[in-house]
Amino acid sequence: EIVLTQSPATLSLSPGERATLSCRASQSVSSYLAWYQQKPGQAPSLLIYDASKRATGIPARFSGSGSGTDFTLTISSLEPEDFAVYYCQQRSNSLTFGGGTKVEIK
Amino acid sequence: EVQLVESGGGLVKPGGSLRLSCAASGFTFSNVWMNWVRQAPGKGLEWVGRIKTKDVGGTKDYAAPLRGRFTISRDDSKSTVFLQMNSLQTEDTGVYYCSTDYFAGFLGSWGQGTLVTVSS
Repeated sequence: EIVLTQSPATLSLSPGERATLSCRASQSVSSYLAWYQQKPGQAPSLLIYDASKRATGIPARFSGSGSGTDFTLTISSLEPEDFAVYYCQQRSNSLTFGGGTKVEIK
Repeated sequence: EVQLVESGGGLVKPGGSLRLSCAASGFTFSNVWMNWVRQAPGKGLEWVGRIKTKDVGGTKDYAAPLRGRFTISRDDSKSTVFLQMNSLQTEDTGVYYCSTDYFAGFLGSWGQGTLVTVSS
């Protein structure tokens, strides 16, 4: 099973700041990685797929990068609605999720 | 607009069974692979499994730890996917989401989830 490790577990930032979230895979997943956002009491929603492609309707402040084992989700300037939990997920070998990063208001 | 509505959750005793349903609308259901994902209270996401479309054999894949206890099926005439869960354990407690496949392994649209509680 491919294990995805996300860091940090919690990121405390202020609106307008830049957020950088990391996801590391236990073995190469090529570019078969996605990022999801989950707000309290809601289902997750797809932000980024294939490591760097934004899903339909996702604002340009969200960007993804990386390949192989190291990936990054960047939110260029945090909006109030961006404070949430973010998960990475790979589809290279079955499907697995990372443990999540909570982006909280500082 | 894609809509996914899960139902069938509730309280069940350890060792019991439960069948969840997910009714889909807003897209051609028979053309889309479907997934189940679960989330224990206060925890992260765990993929349960998926069922592919009939044109590629309707293949079912499951997360290794759940294989043998959980079974996914679909009824394209009713645009519904099912999750049959047997020999339920307390650690199966959580919210169960259905979702559409997106590019062969990502998860596009999600339902609102249905809560399963396994407790004596």
